[in-house]
Amino acid sequence: KAGVTQTPRYLIKTRGQQVTLSCSPISGHRSVSWYQQTPGQGLQFLFEYFSETQRNKGNFPGRFSGRQFSNSRSEMNVSTLELGDSALYLCASSQGTSGGELFFGEGSRLTVL
Amino acid sequence: AQSVAQPEDQVNVAEGNPLTVKCTYSVSGNPYLFWYVQYPNRGLQFLLKYITGDNLVKGSYGFEAEFNKSQTSFHLKKPSALVSDSALYFCAVRDWDGGSQGNLIFGKGTKLSVKP
Repeated sequence: KAGVTQTPRYLIKTRGQQVTLSCSPISGHRSVSWYQQTPGQGLQFLFEYFSETQRNKGNFPGRFSGRQFSNSRSEMNVSTLELGDSALYLCASSQGTSGGELFFGEGSRLTVL
Repeated sequence: AQSVAQPEDQVNVAEGNPLTVKCTYSVSGNPYLFWYVQYPNRGLQFLLKYITGDNLVKGSYGFEAEFNKSQTSFHLKKPSALVSDSALYFCAVRDWDGGSQGNLIFGKGTKLSVKP
């Protein structure tokens, strides 16, 4: 069974630009969560989508947004990039139950110059 | 609010010795607890979880963890460490404040270094 696929793996942007990251979950998984990982803040929850609906949201500004498609694939968008947005963005998929573990992708490493 | 703490930034052990990576938690609901490992420039890999049942949970790669309700701890253990176990380890707890399903709240991570 294929794992969670994130694209692109690496990208460089400049301040003020926007970026879209993509995540394809494990087949059959209906929940996709996004996390931001930085050396200073660790892993921080961005949002979770389940069956195309945002089910949970972390404490990030409105510049961070996401969506989920009918095939469970998800995208997240960051607009008006800031230097502090440089991070590893991790996508995780799961069955969506409370006891279920998350399966993570390799991440998309964003560098903002 | 839920929280999880990993009191050690780094743990150093010699190959062949037992290892312990510590985790304590605070939850308002049922303590659904998880351990993940991250290798450099990779995503997180699931090791094991505690939902209910036996306090000793066995997971991948020979790791196990002991749930201790009175001490609110969920320490990760392995009887004999390997150099290849060197990585970043994260403890996580289900966030019940996030709704019925919730998301995971992660600790800051503990860097495990196993020397030959």
